[in-house]
Amino acid sequence: ELKVEQNPLFLSMQEGKNYTIYCNYSTTSDRLYWYRQDPGKSLESLFVLLSNGAVKQEGRLMASLDTKARLSTLHITAAVHDLSATYFCAVDSAGNQFYFGTGTSLTVIP
Amino acid sequence: DTGVSQDPRHKITKRGQNVTFRCDPISEHNRLYWYRQTLGQGPEFLTYFQNEAQLEKSRLLSDRFSAERPKGSFSTLEIQRTEQGDSAMYLCASSQLTEAFFGQGTRLTVV
Repeated sequence: ELKVEQNPLFLSMQEGKNYTIYCNYSTTSDRLYWYRQDPGKSLESLFVLLSNGAVKQEGRLMASLDTKARLSTLHITAAVHDLSATYFCAVDSAGNQFYFGTGTSLTVIP
Repeated sequence: DTGVSQDPRHKITKRGQNVTFRCDPISEHNRLYWYRQTLGQGPEFLTYFQNEAQLEKSRLLSDRFSAERPKGSFSTLEIQRTEQGDSAMYLCASSQLTEAFFGQGTRLTVV
């Protein structure tokens, strides 16, 4: 079974600072997704990464994928309070299911 | 396009009762997924449909759980003889090619 690990699990950061969340997965996959979840809410799609070396940016978030290392990163630049949420990475197993990491709970403090 | 819709949003039931949840995917999405999420955890895969065919089922899906997608459009997830351990958020997602879009979920509480 495909395993997906995220670290850190909890992240408390000050506004204006930069940080990176890491997502490692155990078997070959070329498709990786990042989602955001606010408390009590569903998952919002952030990024879809479909090939080795893919990099996508939206606002203060940038995601990248290294399929050879089986690693994706979600980089946060100059964090603001609105980014506080739980972030999940998910890996696609031939389109039949998505394997999710345990999530990174991000709190941005003023 | 109104996104993935789930009904009900909340359900409280007594242990031993049966419950059924409904999911309406984004129209023209041929893939539909059910996930379960408990507090502090990532979503866990339950089952996957391509059109009306159920192609994957997790071993988490005990024989008390059954899912259908009779006409390849909406789907239902039924839990029979509910147990307290079934309390969770049940999420439905749909996709066409790659990206999956999630509904708001049904929060089940078994008392």
